[in-house]
Amino acid sequence: KAGVTQTPRYLIKTRGQQVTLSCSPISGHRSVSWYQQTPGQGLQFLFEYFSETQRNKGNFPGRFSGRQFSNSRSEMNVSTLELGDSALYLCASSPGLAAGELFFGEGSRLTVL
Amino acid sequence: GESVGLHLPTLSVQEGDNSIINCAYSNSASDYFIWYKQESGKGPQFIIDIRSNMDKRQGQRVTVLLNKTVKHLSLQIAATQPGDSAVYFCAENPYSGAGSYQLTFGKGTKLSVIP
Repeated sequence: KAGVTQTPRYLIKTRGQQVTLSCSPISGHRSVSWYQQTPGQGLQFLFEYFSETQRNKGNFPGRFSGRQFSNSRSEMNVSTLELGDSALYLCASSPGLAAGELFFGEGSRLTVL
Repeated sequence: GESVGLHLPTLSVQEGDNSIINCAYSNSASDYFIWYKQESGKGPQFIIDIRSNMDKRQGQRVTVLLNKTVKHLSLQIAATQPGDSAVYFCAENPYSGAGSYQLTFGKGTKLSVIP
């Protein structure tokens, strides 16, 4: 069974630009979560989608948004990039029916210059 | 201002010894706890989980202990191997209910295994 796939793996943007990251969950998983990992703040929850609906949201500004498609694939978008948005963005999937293990992808490494 | 990197606790152990990694969690209402291992350049990888109605759970070479009285988790790794070198995170799910996934992660502990 294929794991969680994130694209792109690496990208460089400049301040003020926007970025879209993509995540394909494990087949059959209906929940997709996004986390931001930085050296300063560690792993922080961004949001979680289940069956195309945002079910939970972390404490991030409105520049961070996401969506989920009918095939459970998810995208997250960051608008008006700031230097502090440089991070590893991790996507995780799960069946979504009860609290349990999250399966993480390898992440998308974003560098904002 | 300049952000300060997290000061990761570190643990160095001799190959073959047992390792114990500790974690304090914050929310007494959390009902699900999980340990992840993250190797350099990779995403977190599941190790073991435990629900709040248990105080101990064993896997292959790993044991998780949960002490709800003091809100403490520990991960024990038996016969530590060089491949165990990584950063280990504990995480709690502070929201109960069906399908709630909002893990709060600890700061991580860097485990180094000395051959």
